[in-house]
Amino acid sequence: SQQGEEDPQALSIQEGENATMNCSYKTSINNLQWYRQNSGRGLVHLILIRSNEREKHSGRLRVTLDTSKKSSSLLITASRAADTASYFCATDVSGTSYGKLTFGQGTILTVHP
Amino acid sequence: EPEVTQTPSHQVTQMGQEVILRCVPISNHLYFYWYRQILGQKVEFLVSFYNNEISEKSEIFDDQFSVERPDGSNFTLKIRSTKLEDSAMYFCARGLAGGGNEQFFGPGTRLTVL
Repeated sequence: SQQGEEDPQALSIQEGENATMNCSYKTSINNLQWYRQNSGRGLVHLILIRSNEREKHSGRLRVTLDTSKKSSSLLITASRAADTASYFCATDVSGTSYGKLTFGQGTILTVHP
Repeated sequence: EPEVTQTPSHQVTQMGQEVILRCVPISNHLYFYWYRQILGQKVEFLVSFYNNEISEKSEIFDDQFSVERPDGSNFTLKIRSTKLEDSAMYFCARGLAGGGNEQFFGPGTRLTVL
């Protein structure tokens, strides 16, 4: 498997439900970041969690990080149709100084109104 | 957050031609990056640029690619002799203060090589 793999590959939910996406990685990291990408558009930074943090919140987003399992999850609560997008995790691998990010394949989230 | 702008938004070129993709980040940022995303695939790191020098590059970033910051503000990615497989979205990103921090991406340039 590759550094930064998300599951599920696709998630379809109803508005108001919670959406959980997972990311696994293989090597030690400085931090893990989540990005959103609307179809054909640029990447929007959502949240960064550092390797010494376990949980972080930002609005309706909650990110957890388990470095022992090399995994992270992104929870979007009370989803809205506007949350429909692809979500990527990206790892900043330990041992590098310049912030190179390694992205996963992404989870395609569809929120039905 | 201040924006990163990229031009052009879409570039169509013939195979073998040279293209220059431009990025205009905030001028006082030191860390810049280029990534690409082939349609339907994941985002791939190409190169990082710190203090006007390449700090790291991927295997993708071969001799046909080059980056520079010619006037201290614009940040360019040049592809000397484009191939069909270079067709992708190319994203410029800036880092606030170097490794370990958020990266803010531009809207991308869609490159189509015919």
